[in-house]
Amino acid sequence: EDQVTQSPEALRLQEGESSSLNCSYTVSGLRGLFWYRQDPGKGPEFLFTLYSAGEEKEKERLKATLTKKESFLHITAPKPEDSATYLCAVRPLSNSGYALNFGKGTSLLVTP
Amino acid sequence: KAGVTQTPRYLIKTRGQQVTLSCSPISGHRSVSWYQQTPGQGLQFLFEYFSETQRNKGNFPGRFSGRQFSNSRSEMNVSTLELGDSALYLCASSPGTSNYGYTFGSGTRLTVV
Repeated sequence: EDQVTQSPEALRLQEGESSSLNCSYTVSGLRGLFWYRQDPGKGPEFLFTLYSAGEEKEKERLKATLTKKESFLHITAPKPEDSATYLCAVRPLSNSGYALNFGKGTSLLVTP
Repeated sequence: KAGVTQTPRYLIKTRGQQVTLSCSPISGHRSVSWYQQTPGQGLQFLFEYFSETQRNKGNFPGRFSGRQFSNSRSEMNVSTLELGDSALYLCASSPGTSNYGYTFGSGTRLTVV
């Protein structure tokens, strides 16, 4: 069965304190791995898509990496506005079309 | 460029009633998917439509149904509402022809009392 597990469930950082969020996945084959950010009361906002092991993508203070079993979202020198829930999702080969399997997310709080 | 529009934003219904939620995708996007988000289960896939055809369906009872119109707008319907159907229902659109990241709407918050 295709599964996505994110850790930690919650993370509290001080402004400027870098850290990483983890997304472990078990799929029969991977079409793509997606990272989203979700603010309270809003829909998820697309951040990155990764397709193959070794791939990396960056956007401002965020950098996403991918291995054959997991993905990391590295946050460098975070600011309070980076506080949000970060969601990881996979599009397995077993899913026709565009169904995504989501993890339950990591709730990030960055304090000044 | 307009984003994904979901209506209504909030809805309160009574157990046993039915409800219809609406989603207008980004212009030119042909794939529309629906997800249910709850604190306990997270985001769970309901179904996906592409060019008016259901292309994929998640593990939800038959009370949950959907459709897509020729202009790509989509509706989902839940019949015989149960308390456990209270959730944020999210719609997402994509061009549908590549591994393009979904764009989500802000969702409809459904409360069943």
